[in-house]
Amino acid sequence: DTGVSQNPRHKITKRGQNVTFRCDPISEHNRLYWYRQTLGQGPEFLTYFQNEAQLEKSRLLSDRFSAERPKGSFSTLEIQRTEQGDSAMYLCASSAGLADGDTQYFGPGTRLTVL
Amino acid sequence: DQQVKQNSPSLSVQEGRISILNCDYTNSMFDYFLWYKKYPAEGPTFLISISSIKDKNEDGRFTVFLNKSAKHLSLHIVPSQPGDSAVYFCAASAYSGAGSYQLTFGKGTKLSVIP
Repeated sequence: DTGVSQNPRHKITKRGQNVTFRCDPISEHNRLYWYRQTLGQGPEFLTYFQNEAQLEKSRLLSDRFSAERPKGSFSTLEIQRTEQGDSAMYLCASSAGLADGDTQYFGPGTRLTVL
Repeated sequence: DQQVKQNSPSLSVQEGRISILNCDYTNSMFDYFLWYKKYPAEGPTFLISISSIKDKNEDGRFTVFLNKSAKHLSLHIVPSQPGDSAVYFCAASAYSGAGSYQLTFGKGTKLSVIP
């Protein structure tokens, strides 16, 4: 069990550029969540996948954000036309479902800095 | 409106003593509660959880207490160790209706254990 992994760990980009992050969940977990954390705050929910289906999106997820989970394995989160307000830690979590109370296990996060 | 509140931004405790971290919530639909520990530049690490049908759950040095009538939970760490120094997040989940059990987090409490 290698845990949840995320790449890259850090990303610095200029305003207006597109960025893409990857998340590899724990292999047997069919549920995958994306969260965003800004300084001094707890993580905030962005979107949820069950297998390959994106079932829920937060109102925080503007139309510049898109997420995919092809084949129900890894997931990508893309931000188009980045803005300085997008600077945050982007966290991915996976869970096995209700048998475990849907306990979510987090990856190390991707720190995005938009200049 | 903050549905999960951690009113103490920081807490200092002597090594060997008890650390008590508190959390209050407002949404009566929350039915599963979790505590996460977070080091700087890392993702949250799951510590312990409790279902709303229980009032206590214990795992080694960590015990979580839930008072549903007061909408209050607490995390007790006994004995506290310097390695416990980190930011602790309280999180709560409820079925969203769209398939997810997204977590709602507090802002965290920074615990410092003094040797």
